[in-house]
Order: sequence, then C-alpha cells, then structure tokens
Amino acid sequence: EVQLVESGGGLVQPGGSLRLSCAASGFTFSNYAMSWVRQAPGKGLEWISGFSGSGDNTFYADSVKGRFTISRDNSKNTLYLQMNNLRAEDTAMYYCATKSRYYFDCWGQGTLVTVSS
Amino acid sequence: DIQLTQSPSFLSASVGDRVTITCRASQGVTSYLAWYQQKAGKAPKLLISAASTLQSGVPSRFSGSGSGTEFTLTISSLQPDDFATYYCQQLKSYSLTFGGGTKVEIK
Repeated sequence: EVQLVESGGGLVQPGGSLRLSCAASGFTFSNYAMSWVRQAPGKGLEWISGFSGSGDNTFYADSVKGRFTISRDNSKNTLYLQMNNLRAEDTAMYYCATKSRYYFDCWGQGTLVTVSS
Repeated sequence: DIQLTQSPSFLSASVGDRVTITCRASQGVTSYLAWYQQKAGKAPKLLISAASTLQSGVPSRFSGSGSGTEFTLTISSLQPDDFATYYCQQLKSYSLTFGGGTKVEIK
C-alpha cells in the first residue's frame, strides 16, 4: 500500500524553526518527484516546495523562499522540510505528496504547525 | 507564476443538480491541469488529471474538459457524498499553483 506519513509539526514561537518529515512506503521513493503543500486554517491549498522528477532541482513558492529548505534521503525513503524564521502566517496543516507528470496522486494525512507566542 | 482563478468560490445546490466549476489560468497550461476534492479534515483526493482523465474509482458523474487557459469540472448529478471543496491545480510549471477552491454546499 502506498503511504505517506508526515511528522514533526507542533507549536513554535515566531522566529523559531521546525523540521517536518514525510516517511514514504509502498513505492520506489527515489523515482518520484515530491512536494509539500500547506493549508492555513479555513483557507485553500498552497503549494510551497518541491523536487523535480530527476531530483536535481528544487523549487519554492515566494512565500517561503529563503526560509524553508526541502531535502530528501532516498536511503531512508524520507522527505524533509526545514522551516526557519517561522511567522504567524506559516500556521497551517502541512501535507507531502507524490508528483506524477499530470497530478499529485498520493497525499499524507498532514502535520499541523502552529506559530504563536 | 501561473495564477488559477476558480469560479464560483461557493455554490449551493441540491441532490441531482448538474454542477459546473470553472478554472481559468493566467497563461496557457495545455492539459497540465488536475482537479481534487477535499472534505473537512481530510487530505485532497485526486479526481481528474490531464484536464479530462478520470481517476480509477472516481464515479463517472465527474468529468473534466478544457485546454490552454479555460477548464471545467462537471458533476452531472450531484450526490450527497459530493458536498465538499474542489480545487484545480496546474502542473505546467513551478510554482505548481492551486485555484482558490469552490465549496459545494447543500441547498
């Protein structure tokens, strides 16, 4: 069964850092482009970061560029998102997803990040 | 970045109604467009890829059409399980933007 499980969310103060993890199973992780998508409470979906299909390139939304870093460890079948200098507007549910050419087909259940003093 | 504008943002409909949601792109995305359904507290679920390809297991009352800059998601006969929020997404170029969403509620 294809599965993605996010972890690492929690409550953090403004200016703080968190590292999210996304553990993959049931498929050949290294073959897939991966992305992070977030959803603020009561708001829509926002793509924030991703790896290209080759894994050579990384991409970021302007809202997180310079503060967030995506990485992956194919030996551990795990995707990461290092989040620094967090702001109140980063409060959201964070999802990881597998990317195929025309769609995101598998999503995790999400991990909640709350940025508040 | 490519912007996606969904309309309407909210619609109220009855069981059995035909529902159409539109997604307009600020520049052409050819057929690199997907549609998702999201229910409260759940991750999005892929309905349609490549603008018009119905995913396995998705009821045939869902259909997608369009190419370039204008796309539609149609539900031919709304069922109780279809009350949810729907999002389009372009995968033509990074950033892989989503539309603002359309919430479908029971009239």
